[in-house]
Amino acid sequence: AQTVTQSQPEMSVQEAETVTLSCTYDTSESDYYLFWYKQPPSRQMILVIRQEAYKQQNATENRFSVNFQKAAKSFSLKISDSQLGDAAMYFCAYRRLRDSNYQLIWGAGTKLIIKP
Amino acid sequence: DAGITQSPRHKVTETGTPVTLRCHQTENHRYMYWYRQDPGHGLRLIHYSYGVKDTDKGEVSDGYSVSRSKTEDFLLTLESATSSQTSVYFCAISDPASTGETQYFGPGTRLLVL
Repeated sequence: AQTVTQSQPEMSVQEAETVTLSCTYDTSESDYYLFWYKQPPSRQMILVIRQEAYKQQNATENRFSVNFQKAAKSFSLKISDSQLGDAAMYFCAYRRLRDSNYQLIWGAGTKLIIKP
Repeated sequence: DAGITQSPRHKVTETGTPVTLRCHQTENHRYMYWYRQDPGHGLRLIHYSYGVKDTDKGEVSDGYSVSRSKTEDFLLTLESATSSQTSVYFCAISDPASTGETQYFGPGTRLLVL
């Protein structure tokens, strides 16, 4: 069974600095998708970035980028120039390509604190 | 997120009573999901639907049932609520033709079972 592990329950960073959140996953599949979602205090779950496993190039969305290491089964999220609005829970999620139900497997989350 | 609403947003109920949560979408997406979120567990899938009247179980389906009689509505029912079902419930939608692999979430419903 696939599992997703986020080993950092909480991280803190100074405003304007860079922080990296870790995510590892366990799968025997070769084709899959990986996601980072953000959940601010409002509890709304917001997609931050996604990565297709067949793509070697790391996904980037403005200040957010990933370091996808397929062989190591690692999918870390880097946030550059951290802003107060980045404070939230961050969840890593995995989906097998061949799952007809599009089921996501989730990590337990990392709480990100931004220090002004 | 603007196309997904959940009702009620907050509910307090007593053990043993039935509870129905509603998810409504205006995006005409094929897939709909119910998750629960508990501290230390991330999100866990309860049930999902891949079309009108087509539903299937997720990893934590015991004690829950669902129905989807229209594309836009997906109902989650707790037949007899228990304290272990105190949680935050999220609805999500996706569609292969538009969102592909990405799921979009509603605002959540906080349920407290006393």
